Amino acid sequence: AQSVTQLDSQVPVFEEAPVELRCNYSSSVSVYLFWYVQYPNQGLQLLLKYLSGSTLVESINGFEAEFNKSQTSFHLRKPSVHISDTAEYFCAVKASSSASKIIFGSGTRLSIRP
Amino acid sequence: AAGVIQSPRHLIKEKRETATLKCYPIPRHDTVYWYQQGPGQDPQFLISFYEKMQSDKGSIPDRFSAQQFSDYHSELNMSSLELGDSALYFCASSNRVLNTEAFFGQGTRLTVV
Repeated sequence: AQSVTQLDSQVPVFEEAPVELRCNYSSSVSVYLFWYVQYPNQGLQLLLKYLSGSTLVESINGFEAEFNKSQTSFHLRKPSVHISDTAEYFCAVKASSSASKIIFGSGTRLSIRP
Repeated sequence: AAGVIQSPRHLIKEKRETATLKCYPIPRHDTVYWYQQGPGQDPQFLISFYEKMQSDKGSIPDRFSAQQFSDYHSELNMSSLELGDSALYFCASSNRVLNTEAFFGQGTRLTVV
């Protein structure tokens, strides 16, 4: 079975400051890793994903995450945040074999202060 | 591009009533997942279907049932509704052969009063 731990339930940062949202996973098999973003009263949007290949993956809006197998981590980073990044961020894991379910972490609420 | 369609978007029911939520996956997606997200909670896996057969089961109450039809759409049936069933219900779909991420719908917000 897989599990995901998001170490920070809330992360307040100032606008234009860098941010890191931490995610660690546990699994006995190879996995795919995801970050989903949920804006207030909205659905889940895929922010970025790691399936294979390069361990550094990027999104179109400046976020990036690095898969670290030895540390079983998939931390999300952005060098300079914007007010519009205010949202709940969920790290998620899925076993890479077959169409297994996605398991979510408990989420990190990113709040941006002007 | 086509996305996962869920209906209705909002639903208000009274205690002990029944509710049916519908999910229309992305074309050529053969797997459907259902999740429940309570207020301030992370999405919890309920159940999934592959090729119209149940493929995995999570924390779905016995009062709930679901199925996937021949056109791959899925329905989540919820009976004897309780106040605690108030939540956002997400459906997601994926293609088993491609086996990448699941794509989520916008969700159905169920309020039980």
